[in-house]
Amino acid sequence: AQKITQTQPGMFVQEKEAVTLDCTYDTSDQSYGLFWYKQPSSGEMIFLIYQGSYDEQNATEGRYSLNFQKARKSANLVISASQLGDSAMYFCAMSPGAGTALIFGKGTTLSVSS
Amino acid sequence: NAGVTQTPKFQVLKTGQSMTLQCAQDMNHEYMSWYRQDPGMGLRLIHYSVGAGITDQGEVPNGYNVSRSTTEDFPLRLLSAAPSQTSVYFCASSWGQPRDNEQFFGPGTRLTVL
Repeated sequence: AQKITQTQPGMFVQEKEAVTLDCTYDTSDQSYGLFWYKQPSSGEMIFLIYQGSYDEQNATEGRYSLNFQKARKSANLVISASQLGDSAMYFCAMSPGAGTALIFGKGTTLSVSS
Repeated sequence: NAGVTQTPKFQVLKTGQSMTLQCAQDMNHEYMSWYRQDPGMGLRLIHYSVGAGITDQGEVPNGYNVSRSTTEDFPLRLLSAAPSQTSVYFCASSWGQPRDNEQFFGPGTRLTVL
């Protein structure tokens, strides 16, 4: 079964610290895409970062990096130097195989304090 | 570009009423999809389309219909609203296969069924 698991319902971090949000996935497909989205309290879905299953290097976008461990089927999001504006819900998602849409995890709520 | 637009932003229905949630994109994207977001459940796929005239069911299609007569529009119809359909609905689109491409999300429609 295709599935995304996010085991951390909530995470707390202080400003300027780094934080890792966990994501594991399950698929039998060899080709797939992994995504992270941010959802602030205003409700919109904001794309953060993408990793293709054949990409050998971990994806990075500014303060965001994706720690991709293919053998472990994990795709953790690392946010460096957290900011107050990073407080939001974070979703890990996968588009497997034929890739017609996304499968989402249940999300992790990140709270950043000063 | 307006991106992905959804109307209405908010809607309250009575049980048994029908309505259509509108979704449009001006990016000439082939792939479009509808998700619903419920507390603690992440986003779940309702229906998707890989191009004009082609639609298929996702994980939770019951009670919803879709059609794709143009590349730009992908309306979601609730046939006979039920309280279980109270949710936030997101429309999304991507240029190519979602496995390889960022999905762009609309701002969402918050639906309450009484």
